Amino acid sequence: AQTVTQSQPEMSVQEAETVTLSCTYDTSESDYYLFWYKQPPSRQMILVIRQEAYKQQNATENRFSVNFQKAAKSFSLKISDSQLGDAAMYFCAYFNAGNNRKLIWGLGTSLAVNP
Amino acid sequence: EPEVTQTPSHQVTQMGQEVILRCVPISNHLYFYWYRQILGQKVEFLVSFYNNEISEKSEIFDDQFSVERPDGSNFTLKIRSTKLEDSAMYFCASSDGVSYNEQFFGPGTRLTVL
Repeated sequence: AQTVTQSQPEMSVQEAETVTLSCTYDTSESDYYLFWYKQPPSRQMILVIRQEAYKQQNATENRFSVNFQKAAKSFSLKISDSQLGDAAMYFCAYFNAGNNRKLIWGLGTSLAVNP
Repeated sequence: EPEVTQTPSHQVTQMGQEVILRCVPISNHLYFYWYRQILGQKVEFLVSFYNNEISEKSEIFDDQFSVERPDGSNFTLKIRSTKLEDSAMYFCASSDGVSYNEQFFGPGTRLTVL
């Protein structure tokens, strides 16, 4: 069965600095998608960035980028120029269309941004 | 921009009562989901729904749970006899199954069972 592991329950970063959140996953599939979701105190689930497994190029969305290492099954999120509004819970999630299309989630990393 | 909506935002109920959580997915989406998140814990898949039937359900989704798409726009989750451990945030999500298979989430319903 597929699993997603986030080994950092809590992280902190100084405003304007860079932070990297780690995520590893386990799957025997070759075609899948990976996502990072942000959950602020409002508890709304907001998509941050996504990566298709067949693409070698790492996804980038403004200050957010990923380091996708398919062989190592690693999918880390880098936040550059951290802002106070980035403080939230971050979840890594795995999706495989052959797996009845459900998202499989990590436990999350709580990110604090210090002014 | 189209969005998934959920009502109510917060539901308080007594143990043993029935609750219905409502969701309006994005109109052209074909896949619908319910997830739940017990406070401070991971997000858990409950059920997926496609073509007017359940595609998959988790072990959490027992006989106390049911889903329905009664009118082509709403997507409901019913809990027949709530337990204390059903207290959680319930998220509805929908997907068109094409665009990166991205699931769009509603704002959630916080269910409190007393």
